Amino acid sequence: DTEVTQTPKHLVMGMTNKKSLKCEQHMGHRAMYWYKQKAKKPPELMFVYSYEKLSINESVPSRFSPECPNSSLLNLHLHALQPEDSALYLCASSRGPDYNSPLHFGNGTRLTVT
Amino acid sequence: GQNIDQPTEMTATEGAIVQINCTYQTSGFNGLFWYQQHAGEAPTFLSYNVLDGLEEKGRFSSFLSRSKGYSYLLLKELQMKDSASYLCAVRGGAAGNKLTFGGGTRVLVKP
Repeated sequence: DTEVTQTPKHLVMGMTNKKSLKCEQHMGHRAMYWYKQKAKKPPELMFVYSYEKLSINESVPSRFSPECPNSSLLNLHLHALQPEDSALYLCASSRGPDYNSPLHFGNGTRLTVT
Repeated sequence: GQNIDQPTEMTATEGAIVQINCTYQTSGFNGLFWYQQHAGEAPTFLSYNVLDGLEEKGRFSSFLSRSKGYSYLLLKELQMKDSASYLCAVRGGAAGNKLTFGGGTRVLVKP
């Protein structure tokens, strides 16, 4: 069982919808991440939060909006997505932004944009 | 930027040994991770190397040579449940803490 919990597990949304993905961890980790993974491809980094502050944005389109309300929670707000945004969205956390701290992944939200 | 290469697919027999190679180029190296990912599941952490040499953890070992930009993951006494994708990931980049994944190596273990 993963200690990073993501909801929902599956999400189908239209291109005009607004939805949010949620991620929660209670390991006391201070760095949290959003990755996007297409089928048979590796995870691609989207955002990194370090001590609740956005530290990396990998030039992600503004239709994806991250939010870190507190050290345990990470949200990804979705608006006006395109069909090519359909993918598995993985949340991860690590002890901190320190280099030897491995990332612990949630099971992901499988998103389909119709 | 970061460039990470690993073979796409490997096949091995149950009980055998398989070595998955990974070569990388990066600005600012702060460690190399190996992850295992079963189809439809989250990646799970296997190993971390930041200094040259071999790290052993049960049936899995990982090796790093920083001067050659090279790592390998060694899986011994293969079991059917080891059939999965194995992802090499390098921490580095301008900020030093960006974790970038290679394309992954799909390992198929046959009886």
